[in-house]
Amino acid sequence: GAVVSQHPSWVICKSGTSVKIECRSLDFQATTMFWYRQFPKQSLMLMATSNEGSKATYEQGVEKDKFLINHASLTLSTLTVTSAHPEDSSFYICSARFAGGGRTQYFGPGTRLLVL
Amino acid sequence: EDQVTQSPEALRLQEGESSSLNCSYTVSGLRGLFWYRQDPGKGPEFLFTLYSAGEEKEKERLKATLTKKESFLHITAPKPEDSATYLCAVNRGGSEKLVFGKGTKLTVNP
Repeated sequence: GAVVSQHPSWVICKSGTSVKIECRSLDFQATTMFWYRQFPKQSLMLMATSNEGSKATYEQGVEKDKFLINHASLTLSTLTVTSAHPEDSSFYICSARFAGGGRTQYFGPGTRLLVL
Repeated sequence: EDQVTQSPEALRLQEGESSSLNCSYTVSGLRGLFWYRQDPGKGPEFLFTLYSAGEEKEKERLKATLTKKESFLHITAPKPEDSATYLCAVNRGGSEKLVFGKGTKLTVNP
């Protein structure tokens, strides 16, 4: 149980284009979803927290207009990297937690983004 | 500010050689301490959640323990497939966030 999927698993795009990453909870309804990024050999850095139907809460230093988060339903959240640049290249990972699961977060497999 | 420090940064073991990973934390009002395993190029895989000092949890060759200042992940008779980076994270009351340590990269040689 508690399976989270992400799509796509990897994406290559040209500088200046936008990229959308989907995060789905497959077997539970996610009260809260989270987006992280991870640079090589570093730990996870939280970008934002989102609850279904409300605006995401971004961490300090994360540009809201660049990283658009939409939490349209209890099983789906999307992250759109707008006008991507090479420095946005990273490993993006989502997680979700459900009511009754305490604070435990279940992570997706991640999306590797390469901006050329 | 919440802080999580994991040691060692890297650990090499021979198959069958038991050892422990350490996670020291500073957090106001701990609501949970979490252990995850992460393989290269993949998202973290949930292992354990510990809520209070004295609590212990086991899964196969892994056992996690918690005190008021640190947690240990004990690995008994590890196998090569246990090779991964093990991440520790904490959550405090009033926050949704998990604060992660930098991880311990474990390599188990056959």
